[in-house]
Amino acid sequence: DGGITQSPKYLFRKEGQNVTLSCEQNLNHDAMYWYRQDPGQGLRLIYYSQIVNDFQKGDIAEGYSVSREKKESFPLTVTSAQKNPTAFYLCATRWAYEQYFGPGTRLTVT
Amino acid sequence: QQQVKQSPQSLIVQKGGIPIINCAYENTAFDYFPWYQQFPGKGPALLIAIRPDVSEKKEGRFTISFNKSAKQFSLHIMDSQPGDSATYFCAAYERGGADGLTFGKGTHLIIQP
Repeated sequence: DGGITQSPKYLFRKEGQNVTLSCEQNLNHDAMYWYRQDPGQGLRLIYYSQIVNDFQKGDIAEGYSVSREKKESFPLTVTSAQKNPTAFYLCATRWAYEQYFGPGTRLTVT
Repeated sequence: QQQVKQSPQSLIVQKGGIPIINCAYENTAFDYFPWYQQFPGKGPALLIAIRPDVSEKKEGRFTISFNKSAKQFSLHIMDSQPGDSATYFCAAYERGGADGLTFGKGTHLIIQP
């Protein structure tokens, strides 16, 4: 079964804690992306990676970090420096013009 | 700077009606314009897409109209059904753009029975 998996589906953390969101793909796509979704604000790009061991900041990278050690994996760490971390996080891949999304992780920080 | 402007933000239509969602862009280097459909708690899924060399594309009940000179494109849903209730995003992609799609802010569509 090919696709993009994100885990967990729901994640709860206390303020001040770092948390890592998982994104795995078996589509063999080079490009991967992390988006944040808040009501009424659409999809905002956090980080993206075009190739293993390389990644670039998106529009709202502050308070987030990523790694790309394997083609299949692009984990996102939400650090304690992120002021408003509660949101729906979406991972995506791209092949040519088409972009494919995972099912998302809803992070709640209290 | 918002490169793809989407309207309306929300829309309520009776079953069988034709909801229309509009998007406008500024970057003339965009050359691929997809629409995504997102149900609550799920990731967006590609619905239909168009290239700027055609003015219209139909897939089932979904139609994209594209006006290159006006830099506008729109999504029409024929014979809308309650199951079409979702959030719809327009997007645009620039050839060679490493940072992926540029998205509109989304339209929350409700189809009333």
